[in-house]
Amino acid sequence: DSGVTQTPKHLITATGQRVTLRCSPRSGDLSVYWYQQSLDQGLQFLIQYYNGEERAKGNILERFSAQQFPDLHSELNLSSLELGDSALYFCASSAGGLINSPLHFGNGTRLTVT
Amino acid sequence: GQQLNQSPQSMFIQEGEDVSMNCTSSSIFNTWLWYKQDPGEGPVLLIALYKAGELTSNGRLTAQFGITRKDSFLNISASIPSDVGIYFCAGQPHGGSQGNLIFGKGTKLSVKP
Repeated sequence: DSGVTQTPKHLITATGQRVTLRCSPRSGDLSVYWYQQSLDQGLQFLIQYYNGEERAKGNILERFSAQQFPDLHSELNLSSLELGDSALYFCASSAGGLINSPLHFGNGTRLTVT
Repeated sequence: GQQLNQSPQSMFIQEGEDVSMNCTSSSIFNTWLWYKQDPGEGPVLLIALYKAGELTSNGRLTAQFGITRKDSFLNISASIPSDVGIYFCAGQPHGGSQGNLIFGKGTKLSVKP
């Protein structure tokens, strides 16, 4: 168990809808990262938050947004969903800051858009 | 964008055999990480490497950060059935943020008892 908790485990929704994925980082970790895993693209970095502030952005679509709350949990919001958004979405956490702290991943949310 | 070339794509081996897989890039990386992913689960960290030339072991697993900073390998000795899974290399590009990892496409390992 990595200590990173993601909910829900599965999500099935229709095109055009909006969903929210939730992540609780490991105790003590200040950084939260969101990754998307699809069969054709592999694992792709979406966005990073550190202690409530956005730190880095990757290949995140404008239809997607995220935030990190004062209790350090994070939410990834996906809107105007398309069939191609179907994928596994992983949250990871690390101590962050300047130290070499590797990422620990949660078990993901499998999103199916029909 | 930056890419990692991970090979082999898949391996079918007999229990007890040693395994070797590697990742290469045309760009320099500051950090190399190796993860294992089982079906329905997230990637689990196996080994983290932070210095060029670093050689690190974790039980039967050994990984090295290449001297050129453009490659890394992972060895598994005396494989067992529970080693089955997909192994991913990941690297933090030079100049990139700590969590913006580039992942390889994975090596799928099958172990025959």
